[in-house]
Amino acid sequence: DVVMTQSPLSLPVTLGQPASISCRSSQSLLHSDGNTYLSWFHQRPGQSPRRLIYKVSKRDSGVPDRISGSGSGTDFTLKISRVEAEDVGVYYCMQSTHWPTWMFGQGTRVEIK
Amino acid sequence: QVQLVESGGGVVQPGRSLRVSCEASGFTFSTYAMHWVRQAPGKGLEWVAAIWYDGSDKYYSDSVKGRFSISRDNPKNILYLQMDTLRAEDTAIYYCARGTLDVETPAATSFDSWGQGTLVTVSS
Repeated sequence: DVVMTQSPLSLPVTLGQPASISCRSSQSLLHSDGNTYLSWFHQRPGQSPRRLIYKVSKRDSGVPDRISGSGSGTDFTLKISRVEAEDVGVYYCMQSTHWPTWMFGQGTRVEIK
Repeated sequence: QVQLVESGGGVVQPGRSLRVSCEASGFTFSTYAMHWVRQAPGKGLEWVAAIWYDGSDKYYSDSVKGRFSISRDNPKNILYLQMDTLRAEDTAIYYCARGTLDVETPAATSFDSWGQGTLVTVSS
């Protein structure tokens, strides 16, 4: 199975400052169809997860453009250019290239300093 | 808009069974694969099971294979998860999540919609 490893697991950030979360996969996520199927989710306390990004960098409707995804192969990054209070919570990456096991990373907890 | 509403959670003794449901609305249920994802208290997300749009294929994580069964009733727009021989480590919030359209590769699964979850507690 593909293993997804996120770092850091905890990320204290100052409001207005940038934040970056790394996600690494144990195998390349490049699919034979040329796409790379890596998604990012955000889960606020007490809420269901919400998808932010799919196919590495495609932002969902309503996701602010200060949140972006990048990467290729086995190394991926979620960046928040200026952290706002609504960004607190846990962020998860997930691979779906190597189905039928859909693997999530361990999660990264973002909190305000 | 897409809505997924889970129900059926509760407290159950180890070794017993429970069935949770997910009622879908706001989209053509019969054209989408559907999944169950769970989250143990204070822990991360774990994919549990998937079922193709027409029920023709089903997949399970190793942790539930042989004990859980996913099914769907397309005319009623309902997804089910039958959980047998429950263990304490199955205690979690169970979310249903939407998968891919029937014409897409399953690799494109990205869980664009989630329900609010239903809590299953396995305890004596």
